[in-house]
Parts: sequence; structure tokens; C-alpha cells
Amino acid sequence: GQQVMQIPQYQHVQEGEDFTTYCNSSTTLSNIQWYKQRPGGHPVFLIQLVKSGEVKKQKRLTFQFGEAKKNSSLHITATQTTDVGTYFCALYNQGGKLIFGQGTELSVKP
Amino acid sequence: GAGVSQSPSNKVTEKGKDVELRCDPISGHTALYWYRQRLGQGLEFLIYFQGNSAPDKSGLPSDRFSAERTGESVSTLTIQRTQQEDSAVYLCASSSGLAGFYEQYFGPGTRLTVT
Repeated sequence: GQQVMQIPQYQHVQEGEDFTTYCNSSTTLSNIQWYKQRPGGHPVFLIQLVKSGEVKKQKRLTFQFGEAKKNSSLHITATQTTDVGTYFCALYNQGGKLIFGQGTELSVKP
Repeated sequence: GAGVSQSPSNKVTEKGKDVELRCDPISGHTALYWYRQRLGQGLEFLIYFQGNSAPDKSGLPSDRFSAERTGESVSTLTIQRTQQEDSAVYLCASSSGLAGFYEQYFGPGTRLTVT
């Protein structure tokens, strides 16, 4: 079935450094969503991308959907300790099931 | 309600016992999902309900796992003859609309510990 590979699995940064996580698929995606899960918490929806080449920003977060709609990235500028958590990409398959990537765990050293 | 709720928040059970986990989705949400998340791991899809359609049970790991949903309301996930490997957080999520492309709202989860 349709899958997404997410890298890296872990990322440790110094506060103020940038962070990027990538989601890759072998097939064309109709959409991609991003979620954040704080330690001990549950996933919370961040954004959805559906258009080829789409770029969306939320303050220090920049989300991109590749031109070929086979990859996506989440970039955080100047990380803060509040950015700590695991970031998941996810996509809906044709059956309506949301398939999650493995997640990237971000830790930020103050 | 304000969001997705799950009960109990924590459940400790002995190996071999049955457990029942409950999920109350956001009112009006037609889609409901159950996921399992082991410690430090990603989200493992278990089952998906959409309206009155037959559920997608493709993620249930064994026949010890079952789930029901009455209409577009409460869902229960039942694990029979629990095993230690069933220990995990069980997350429920709901979303509105048909055929995806909608954000999922997650409940706080039920942490299941099998001793």
C-alpha cells in the first residue's frame, strides 16, 4: 500500500538553529498533512498541502509540497524549546485511511 | 463536546484479561479512527469507521482486537486475552466529511499497561 518515508528519525539542535524534516513517497500524493505531538501528548494537526509546489507558512514554520507531489518538508527557523516534540507527516489513501510517517523527534537544547 | 474524549485515561490489567476502551468523537464527525502507539514509536493504524459503511479493519493485529461504533457516535475498542505486547497508548481520532482531506482531531489516549 501507499507509504511515506520520513527522515530523519531524530534531530537534536541547539536553540536558535534551524530544523527540517522530510517526507518522501514513491508514488504521487494527492495531499499531505503535518501533525505535531508534544512529549506525553497527542498529535495535533498543523497544516494540509494539496497543490503541486505549494508553500505555506505558520510563523517560524514553513511547509512545502514538492512539484512532483512526491515529497514534502517542514522547516522550522530559529528553533525554540517550545518546538520540542515529534513531527509526523500523513497522507490519505484512496480508501480514506490516514497513513502516518514514522515521525521525526526534535529535541532542542537551550 | 469540545473535543474527542477517551476513557479510561489509564488502564492496568493482568495478562489474559479483556479490556474495553471508549472513544467519544466530536459531535457530527462521520469518520473515527483508532491507532496504537507504543512507547517512542509512531502511530499504528488499527481500524477506521466512516458513517454507516463497513469499517476498514485492515490494521487490527489479531482476532483478539475488535471495535464497534454505533452510528456516528461512541466507539469501543475491545482487546481480549490481553498480552504484554498490547501495552501501548491507544489513540482515537475523528474527522468530518467523506473521503479524507480533513484534519483529524485526536483524543488524549488511553494508556494500557498489561502486567
